[in-house]
Amino acid sequence: ETGVTQSPTHLIKTRGQQVTLRCSSQSGHNTVSWYQQALGQGPQFIFQYYREEENGRGNFPPRFSGLQFPNYSSELNVNALELDDSALYLCASSLTSGSTDTQYFGPGTRLTVL
Amino acid sequence: DAKTTQPPSMDCAEGRAANLPCNHSTISGNEYVYWYRQIHSQGPQYIIHGLKNNETNEMASLIITEDRKSSTLILPHATLRDTAVYYCIVRVKGAQKLVFGQGTRLTINP
Repeated sequence: ETGVTQSPTHLIKTRGQQVTLRCSSQSGHNTVSWYQQALGQGPQFIFQYYREEENGRGNFPPRFSGLQFPNYSSELNVNALELDDSALYLCASSLTSGSTDTQYFGPGTRLTVL
Repeated sequence: DAKTTQPPSMDCAEGRAANLPCNHSTISGNEYVYWYRQIHSQGPQYIIHGLKNNETNEMASLIITEDRKSSTLILPHATLRDTAVYYCIVRVKGAQKLVFGQGTRLTINP
């Protein structure tokens, strides 16, 4: 158990809809990173949030956006859903500026877009 | 792009040591070697990381060659629950992202 929680566990949406996924970071961590994992692939970095600001972004379009809250929890928002957005969405929390910034992952949210 | 090369699959008998190799011939002096594993449809689980010295924790040992161009993750007494995809990742401390490759699918056989 990493202490990183995600909700919901599973979600089904239709093409064109919008979705919000949530992540609560491990106690003491101040940074949240989001990853997308398509079936049979390794996770791909979407972006990272630190001190409520985006702190790095992967090769994902602007319809993928996020928020980090003062308690360090985070949301991932995806607008105008496409079929290819079907994937496991993972968040990972870490402590920036600590002696170690190892990322610890939550269990993920499985998103299906029909 | 991932900077590591791993065999796509490996088998190991239950109770034996599982040795998972990773090649990272272009590793930089300030890059750490991280290992994660992912059991089917779960989030990746952190195992261990190291810079140049060998490391051991309650889960595994990490052996890094002197030239740091390759490493081996050792699970000393594999159990069926160790069946998973194992990812070897090189990363500078402070870098935002982990770059995952295809990993090694380790199957522990009874």
